[in-house]
Amino acid sequence: KFMLTQPHSVSESPGKTVTISCTGSSGSIASNYVQWYQQRPGSAPTTVIREDKHRASGVPDRFSASVDSSSNSASLTISGLQTEDEADYYCQSYDGRIVIFGGGTKLTVL
Amino acid sequence: QVHLQESGPRLVKPSGTLSLTCAVSSGPFSSTYWWTWVRQPPGKGLEWIGEIHHSGSTTYSPSLESRVTISLDKSKKQFSLSLSSLTVADTAVYYCARRRPVPEELDYWGQGTLVTVSS
Repeated sequence: KFMLTQPHSVSESPGKTVTISCTGSSGSIASNYVQWYQQRPGSAPTTVIREDKHRASGVPDRFSASVDSSSNSASLTISGLQTEDEADYYCQSYDGRIVIFGGGTKLTVL
Repeated sequence: QVHLQESGPRLVKPSGTLSLTCAVSSGPFSSTYWWTWVRQPPGKGLEWIGEIHHSGSTTYSPSLESRVTISLDKSKKQFSLSLSSLTVADTAVYYCARRRPVPEELDYWGQGTLVTVSS
C-alpha cells in the first residue's frame, strides 16, 4: 500500500522560508503527479500546486514545489511567509486507481 | 466555473446508512472526469472514499469498500454516496469533488457537509 508521509506541523516567522516534505512509502513518487492543497479552517481544500511544480491560478510565486526521485519525496516551499499562509497543507498523488493524500502539515506563521 | 453542492441528513444513527448527494452545476457533466467523495474527521486529515466515472465505473478505498456505494444520475447532474454500518468513527465533514485524469488533481470541491453519527 502506497502512502505519503508529511510532518505533522512546521512553524516559521513572517518573511522567512519554510519547506514541507511529502515522502512516498514505496515505489517511485515520480511515477504519478503530486498536487499540493491548502486548507484553511472551515473551508474546503484548494489547489496551490498541480503536476508536481505548477502553481494554480492566482497562487503567488512565493509558492514553489519539486519532486526528488532520489529521496522519493516531494516538497512544497513557501518563501516570504505571510500570516495568511497559515493553514493546513496536503500532498496528494495517485496509485493504481487509488487517490492518496498525505496526512497533512499544519503551518504556523509565528 | 464548476460548482458542487453536497446535501443530505446531518445526523445519522449508529449502524445506520449515510446518504449524501452532490449536485454539479455550471458546465457540462463531462465524460472526462471522475466524481469523487472525500471525508475529514474533526481535527484530522483528508481521507479519499471513492469515485465514479461518467461511464459508471467505480473505485473505492480498500478500507471502506465493503460499506460504500457511489452512484451517478447524469440526467440530474448529480452523484451520490451511500455508507452503511455506521459508527461514531464515521463522523466527519464529507466533501464531493471533481477529479481530472492526469494529473489526477481534485480541481473543484464542494463546501463540505458535517455528518454526525450519534444515537
